[in-house]
Amino acid sequence: GAVVSQHPSRVICKSGTSVKIECRSLDFQATTMFWYRQFPKQSLMLMATSNEGSKATYEQGVEKDKFLINHASLTLSTLTVTSAHPEDSSFYICSARVYPLAGGNTIYFGEGSWLTVV
Amino acid sequence: RKEVEQDPGPFNVPEGATVAFNCTYSNSASQSFFWYRQDCRKEPKLLMSVYSSGNEDGRFTAQLNRASQYISLLIRDSKLSDSATYLCVVNWSGDMRFGAGTRLTVKP
Repeated sequence: GAVVSQHPSRVICKSGTSVKIECRSLDFQATTMFWYRQFPKQSLMLMATSNEGSKATYEQGVEKDKFLINHASLTLSTLTVTSAHPEDSSFYICSARVYPLAGGNTIYFGEGSWLTVV
Repeated sequence: RKEVEQDPGPFNVPEGATVAFNCTYSNSASQSFFWYRQDCRKEPKLLMSVYSSGNEDGRFTAQLNRASQYISLLIRDSKLSDSATYLCVVNWSGDMRFGAGTRLTVKP
């Protein structure tokens, strides 16, 4: 089945630094990937939609200059949290949309990345 | 109104119980529907898609009511391992929108 890999699974960084999170589709090509953020005991919140070869589409309230998304290939999307602050500490998850031969579509998630900014 | 709303949790049930979750969605043009399961501090995993005619997978039954814009998930004969947060997911035009999730705890 479809597999989405996310790295790193955990990262601790100092306030003011930048951190990059990678999301890879391992056995399929993903023209569209999604980035979510989840605070403790809250639901997943879509941050942006990443389209291969074009600019990401950001949800309202998400700063595109702070959360840089690059989708340079059909199997890799990256999220860079720039000038991280403690309030950026969260669980970040990516997902990729798969179009099964049977029709419709579904999404598969990466394992998530726990970011702690100290 | 939220795009996708779920029953507020948590649900605490004994082993063997039957439990049902409901979810309503606001966009009548929604095209596909899913239930995901998320364990604590893990990524969500697809539990099952929800089809118009309703569908069953073992102890899990999903129903869709387009007229009333809600979907449901029924879990029969609950197991301890069913303890998790269940997320209702609705897709329209390629955008997947999540409910806040309903937390289920199955106790011995």
